[in-house]
Amino acid sequence: ETGVTQTPRHLVMGMTNKKSLKCEQHLGHNAMYWYKQSAKKPLELMFVYNFKEQTENNSVPSRFSPECPNSSHLFLHLHTLQPEDSALYLCASSHLAGTANTEAFFGQGTRLTVV
Amino acid sequence: AQKITQTQPGMFVQEKEAVTLDCTYDTSDQSYGLFWYKQPSSGEMIFLIYQGSYDEQNATEGRYSLNFQKARKSANLVISASQLGDSAMYFCAMRGDQAGTALIFGKGTTLSVSS
Repeated sequence: ETGVTQTPRHLVMGMTNKKSLKCEQHLGHNAMYWYKQSAKKPLELMFVYNFKEQTENNSVPSRFSPECPNSSHLFLHLHTLQPEDSALYLCASSHLAGTANTEAFFGQGTRLTVV
Repeated sequence: AQKITQTQPGMFVQEKEAVTLDCTYDTSDQSYGLFWYKQPSSGEMIFLIYQGSYDEQNATEGRYSLNFQKARKSANLVISASQLGDSAMYFCAMRGDQAGTALIFGKGTTLSVSS
């Protein structure tokens, strides 16, 4: 496998469920990110991890809980979500975050619907 | 704080014509990078082109070129000889040079190419 892989691609969950999104990168990158993309809104940065350490939490509600066990894997644990959390969740990776010329590589996203 | 503004919600162009997608930005960083991404209906964000704030030449990548006007804080994407496969959302993004920073994105422009 190459690039950034996200699973599942689609997820429907109830407001009382607990689920997890998974992201895996095989690019040798040290930084990983979660973004949320809602309709008619810019991509919103949620979390940044550098060398497995969380360096940014962009005022994300606690019902979203990230986990980065190593520099190749990133999870987003979900619990007691609200319908307004329905969105496309995109994972990305790059070489060390904080270098201006470093592009990020994205996965295909998980389309989440909260019912 | 950094900000990206894309004022064109949608653009329409005929095949083989050139099209310019507008992007303006705001930042207090001296060193920064500007990026354009394409997002087809599949959801994946595809990196297109990069321009560094200290680059004197405008970036080019095949049919894509970036019209960088630093004094005006604009970084417009020019697509020459449009193709049907260019129909997608296009996002302008930037990253500063501070440790731990991630890409921030504009709202995007939907490009529709017709035959």
